[in-house]
Amino acid sequence: DTEVTQTPKHLVMGMTNKKSLKCEQHMGHRAMYWYKQKAKKPPELMFVYSYEKLSINESVPSRFSPECPNSSLLNLHLHALQPEDSALYLCASSQDRLLSTDEQFFGPGTRLTVL
Amino acid sequence: AQSVTQLDSQVPVFEEAPVELRCNYSSSVSVYLFWYVQYPNQGLQLLLKYLSGSTLVKGINGFEAEFNKSQTSFHLRKPSVHISDTAEYFCAVSVTGNQFYFGTGTSLTVIP
Repeated sequence: DTEVTQTPKHLVMGMTNKKSLKCEQHMGHRAMYWYKQKAKKPPELMFVYSYEKLSINESVPSRFSPECPNSSLLNLHLHALQPEDSALYLCASSQDRLLSTDEQFFGPGTRLTVL
Repeated sequence: AQSVTQLDSQVPVFEEAPVELRCNYSSSVSVYLFWYVQYPNQGLQLLLKYLSGSTLVKGINGFEAEFNKSQTSFHLRKPSVHISDTAEYFCAVSVTGNQFYFGTGTSLTVIP
């Protein structure tokens, strides 16, 4: 299984809502990533988990809260978002965060719209 | 600091014509180079990667790329494109810590 799955595919939420994005992989990868991607732009790194511990937080606002319950799952909890947070949220995984030769496997993304 | 430059933001090309998408990087250390493709409303899919060895790398869907250390380039080529190749293409550099630095992307449009 070389797939990264993400749910939901689409999400519409109001600025006062609380929602969560989910990501799952069963490749035995120990590094997992959250990216934010605006239209026609490259992915921007948000968070990196390595062996279920948060290792990189790219100065992301606290209204985004990541969680890694186990080595296969990665969540992104959303609260009090702004309309400018509307974007495609991509999850990725790789074998080990320290191996620069590793490719990152991407999920299909969650299209988030904040009203 | 690492940077990746994709000079061409949009490349229109006729079906069955060849195409080259350019990528240049700047790094003072050894790098590993990747090309990803993103079809509309999808995630990124790896086309090919250069880690070491032969500078000509073959990937999926008939794409290939050539690593040129002296010119710090990793251009992507395909001898004959199809309509289905219409997509966004991202060049990426990986350095210590597997952090990817993405280029700004090239939108390839194949014209029937």
